[in-house]
Amino acid sequence: DGGITQSPKYLFRKEGQNVTLSCEQNLNHDAMYWYRQDPGQGLRLIYYSQIVNDFQKGDIAEGYSVSREKKESFPLTVTSAQKNPTAFYLCASRAGRLAAQETQYFGPGTRLLVL
Amino acid sequence: DAKTTQPNSMESNEEEPVHLPCNHSTISGTDYIHWYRQLPSQGPEYVIHGLTSNVNNRMASLAIAEDRKSSTLILHRATLRDAAVYYCIPVVNTGFQKLVFGTGTRLLVSP
Repeated sequence: DGGITQSPKYLFRKEGQNVTLSCEQNLNHDAMYWYRQDPGQGLRLIYYSQIVNDFQKGDIAEGYSVSREKKESFPLTVTSAQKNPTAFYLCASRAGRLAAQETQYFGPGTRLLVL
Repeated sequence: DAKTTQPNSMESNEEEPVHLPCNHSTISGTDYIHWYRQLPSQGPEYVIHGLTSNVNNRMASLAIAEDRKSSTLILHRATLRDAAVYYCIPVVNTGFQKLVFGTGTRLLVSP
């Protein structure tokens, strides 16, 4: 089955620790995204990538980093500089050819909690 | 980014039609209107999108006002599985697609 997988489902971070959230897609999509969702709120864009080896900051990139070394993978690192990392993190992808008309496909999400 | 206004919540009974409104009065002439929904503790899923004409698919219908300042998502027969938060999102027609999620409308469906 084609789709997006995110792991782990739950992740616990200690103070001062960097953690990495995994996002993998087998849809052969060029564009990939990371969003953050706080309780009762909509999603906010952290980073996006339109093609391998290229990525851009979104609206709330501070304290986060990404890489895009392979088309199918777009991992997100939450660094110790992110002071309020507790949230629901969602990865998405789209084909990347007809921007305004395309659907974004979302993964099941990773819930990050701070110990 | 175009601003949207949606009711915080709506209620429906099972098997009745549901009309979810969205105001997007600042939308530009080439922006598409997308609708996504999010079930509890899941990622959003695409519902439907359109530009000017009304659109239908297996999940829903989208009615777009003639002046494009508002649209209505129509679920023809609500089921319990349709209980979710519904987001109306104008999408700028450029090379990069950015989805800006507001707080959406929480749809409650009663048996």
